Amino acid sequence: NAGVTQTPKFRVLKTGQSMTLLCAQDMNHEYMYWYRQDPGMGLRLIHYSVGEGTTAKGEVPDGYNVSRLKKQNFLLGLESAAPSQTSVYFCASSYSLGTQYFGPGTRLLVL
Amino acid sequence: DQQVKQNSPSLSVQEGRISILNCDYTNSMFDYFLWYKKYPAEGPTFLISISSIKDKNEDGRFTVFLNKSAKHLSLHIVPSQPGDSAVYFCAARPERGSGGSNYKLTFGKGTLLTVNP
Repeated sequence: NAGVTQTPKFRVLKTGQSMTLLCAQDMNHEYMYWYRQDPGMGLRLIHYSVGEGTTAKGEVPDGYNVSRLKKQNFLLGLESAAPSQTSVYFCASSYSLGTQYFGPGTRLLVL
Repeated sequence: DQQVKQNSPSLSVQEGRISILNCDYTNSMFDYFLWYKKYPAEGPTFLISISSIKDKNEDGRFTVFLNKSAKHLSLHIVPSQPGDSAVYFCAARPERGSGGSNYKLTFGKGTLLTVNP
C-alpha cells in the first residue's frame, strides 16, 4: 500500500496562475482533508470531505476549491494564486474519526 | 485565537534522558487529543492519542498525560533517542460534535525536539 500520495511534490507559480493539487489514498478511507502549514504555524484545515461527492469548509478555505469525485481522490484547486498561498500543503485521510494519515506534502511557491 | 498552544518552540535533551513536551488548550469542547511527529520534508505521522475519559496513555517509550482541569497535556519520551529528533505537534478535537465539527483537528504550532547523542 502506498498510503497517501500527493502530486506534485513542488511547484512554482506566478501570481494569478491556477493549479490543482492531487491527493490519492489507497486505504479506502471515507474522510479526506487538506491542510496548509506555514512557518511557525501549526497545520490549518482548508477543506475536508466526509465521503465521495461531499466537501466542506475548514478553518482557512478562502482562495481554494476542492472536489471529491472519486472516493480515493481529493483535489485542491487554486483558481488565481496569490503570494499568501505560498505554503506546504498536506493531504490526509482517515477511516471515520480514526487516526488521520498524512501524505508527504506539496511545497508551493507563488511569486 | 490559538485554541491549542505549544509554548516551547524548541527543546534540547541528552540521549537517554526524558523529554517532556507540553501542550495547553482553551476550548472546553476538546476531549480527544493526539500527538503527531514530523520529520523534515515528510508528512506528520501519528504517535499517540488520549481521550478525556483517561488521564494517561502509554505506548512503549511514549506516554501522554492529560490534566482536564488545567486543560493541559504532556508527552513524555523515555528514554530519548537521537531518532526522536523531530517536530512534535499536539492536536485536539471534540469527540462528538454536530455538523462535522468533530472531524476537524486543531493543531498547535509544534515543538522542535533535538536529542543529542
